[in-house]
Amino acid sequence: GEEVAQTPKHLVRGEGQKAKLYCAPIKGHSYVFWYQQVLKNEFKFLISFQNENVFDETGMPKERFSAKCLPNSPCSLEIQATKLEDSAVYFCASSYTTSEQYFGPGTRLTVT
Amino acid sequence: ILNVEQSPQSLHVQEGDSTNFTCSFPSSNFYALHWYRWETAKSPEALFVMTLNGDEKKKGRISATLNTKEGYSYLYIKGSQPEDSATYLCACSPTTSGTYKYIFGTGTRLKVLA
Repeated sequence: GEEVAQTPKHLVRGEGQKAKLYCAPIKGHSYVFWYQQVLKNEFKFLISFQNENVFDETGMPKERFSAKCLPNSPCSLEIQATKLEDSAVYFCASSYTTSEQYFGPGTRLTVT
Repeated sequence: ILNVEQSPQSLHVQEGDSTNFTCSFPSSNFYALHWYRWETAKSPEALFVMTLNGDEKKKGRISATLNTKEGYSYLYIKGSQPEDSATYLCACSPTTSGTYKYIFGTGTRLKVLA
């Protein structure tokens, strides 16, 4: 597609439940990035992929967070045993080269 | 650690006013500066990407400049319209090899009053 698609738009989970977010990058883009925006703070980098390989995971919390980009499937970001502080908007972006990133509309995760 | 600051945090202007915001970043470890326009619940929309000191870019009524030596970029909007109301984000790509992540500022929220 011509736009980065993210599903779902909203996700509500009770504390301790699992949350899984999906991202379909623009066709032909080989880089995928995940960012987290808590409240009205800055977008914080989590992880990036080059095709199905992890490219940079320096922003990923060591526990509970994992991500994958498998061939012919949307990329996913999974949070095991969610906590209140995981409530945020999660943005996915894709790029063809290492330059301009194209963003999706985000998934709003609310942990209650 | 690359720290990106934006000012002001929010801004209200009257329709027709011209306005500008600032993005500052450490001048070392710099590769590129990106400006995005973002409305809540929508995808951030790319406005400009700049890499060279002295770069100036223009898109309609919006323009941007870059000073990599002193570590700042300005975004200008000429003759603001209500549809310009949005959050304007700047992001830096550091030169650290092996990563192309963006480091974002917290944004400037612009409200243009009709």
